[in-house]
Amino acid sequence: QVTLRESGPALVKPTQTLTLTCTFSGFSLSTSGMCVGWIRQPPGKALEWLARIDWDDDKFYSSSLKTRLTISKDTSKNQVVLTMTNMDPVDTATYYCARMRRVTAPPDFWGQGTLVTVSS
Amino acid sequence: EIVMTQSPATLSVSPGERATLSCRASQSVSSNLAWYQQKPGQAPRLLISGASTRATDIPARFSGSGSGTEFTLTISSLQSEDFAVYYCQQYNYWPPTFGQGTKVEIK
Repeated sequence: QVTLRESGPALVKPTQTLTLTCTFSGFSLSTSGMCVGWIRQPPGKALEWLARIDWDDDKFYSSSLKTRLTISKDTSKNQVVLTMTNMDPVDTATYYCARMRRVTAPPDFWGQGTLVTVSS
Repeated sequence: EIVMTQSPATLSVSPGERATLSCRASQSVSSNLAWYQQKPGQAPRLLISGASTRATDIPARFSGSGSGTEFTLTISSLQSEDFAVYYCQQYNYWPPTFGQGTKVEIK
């Protein structure tokens, strides 16, 4: 079955770089059409898309966060990595990774999420 | 960026009653609209894609309709496990955008 799991630090200091890893199973990111994305949710607030990487290594970023984000994949390890630079307390949120079966589909499987707190 | 507006923000419904949730897009998203259910401490769960197609294992009491800019999620007879927050999301344009959510609470 399809599973995804996010991992990374629970606490980062302002101005630091956050690195999150999504480790997945049950599908391959080398399969045509497959995509993995990152979405975050500040406490008590709505969901916000951050980035997406496709099977062919195309990458897409939120326009407001584009300068701070980098997404990459390691197909052999079944992992997708997101880095976000210059972290700020407003970036405190639960970060989710999710799978899309094709570019024109919404996320159908999600990880359980990882809460990242930005504080000195 | 497409703005998704959900209404109402909170819906108070008695178990067994019908719930109707609305979602409006700032411009047409065709039928590329999904609905998600989220319970406290959990990831969102896909209910509906393509505006009206139920995801795998989603009960038939959940139905979606609409196209273009106006969409509706209907829960025909609310069960105790349906009290949650519901989000719509357009995926016609990058970036996909979510509404602010409708909380369905017990009346």
